[in-house]
Amino acid sequence: GAGVSQTPSNKVTEKGKYVELRCDPISGHTALYWYRQSLGQGPEFLIYFQGTGAADDSGLPNDRFFAVRPEGSVSTLKIQRTERGDSAVYLCASSLTTGAAFFGQGTRLTVV
Amino acid sequence: KQEVTQIPAALSVPEGENLVLNCSFTDSAIYNLQWFRQDPGKGLTSLLLIQSSQREQTSGRLNASLDKSSGRSTLYIAASQPGDSATYLCAVMDSSYKLIFGSGTRLLVRP
Repeated sequence: GAGVSQTPSNKVTEKGKYVELRCDPISGHTALYWYRQSLGQGPEFLIYFQGTGAADDSGLPNDRFFAVRPEGSVSTLKIQRTERGDSAVYLCASSLTTGAAFFGQGTRLTVV
Repeated sequence: KQEVTQIPAALSVPEGENLVLNCSFTDSAIYNLQWFRQDPGKGLTSLLLIQSSQREQTSGRLNASLDKSSGRSTLYIAASQPGDSATYLCAVMDSSYKLIFGSGTRLLVRP
């Protein structure tokens, strides 16, 4: 595709529910990143994929968060037993390994 | 641990002024540095990418410089316009290919 696409753009869920956030990177980009951004803050790193493998998942806050990229393209960020503190904008980016990173428009997650 | 700091946190200028945004980082072992623009409620738009071997990049009214040894980058905006109002973020790609962001500079250009 022309750019990074994230779906849904907005998600409201009840506390304790499971959610999946999807990211379609730019075609051919081997690197894919997930970030979380709270109001007034810079993006906070969650996980980085190089191809199909998670090269660095040190930013995932706890074991309720998990991400996959099974075919080296589309990625899904999964959050179990959501908490109100998980409310944020979740951003996805893709790049060639050391090239410019391009971001999607984000998914605004609200846990009520 | 790489840390990125942006100064000032907020800036308000009249239209037409030239301005400089600052970014500093603590570990000089980086692959590149990238400047982004973020409009309220939107994603990040890439403005300029400087590879670690480069000193500066230019695009239109924007010029970004990189001094890796001192851990600093500046974004220069010439002849600012109200449409430049946004949050500007810098990010470094560290030795493990992670992008580490600063908290941003919120810019308001007054007509």
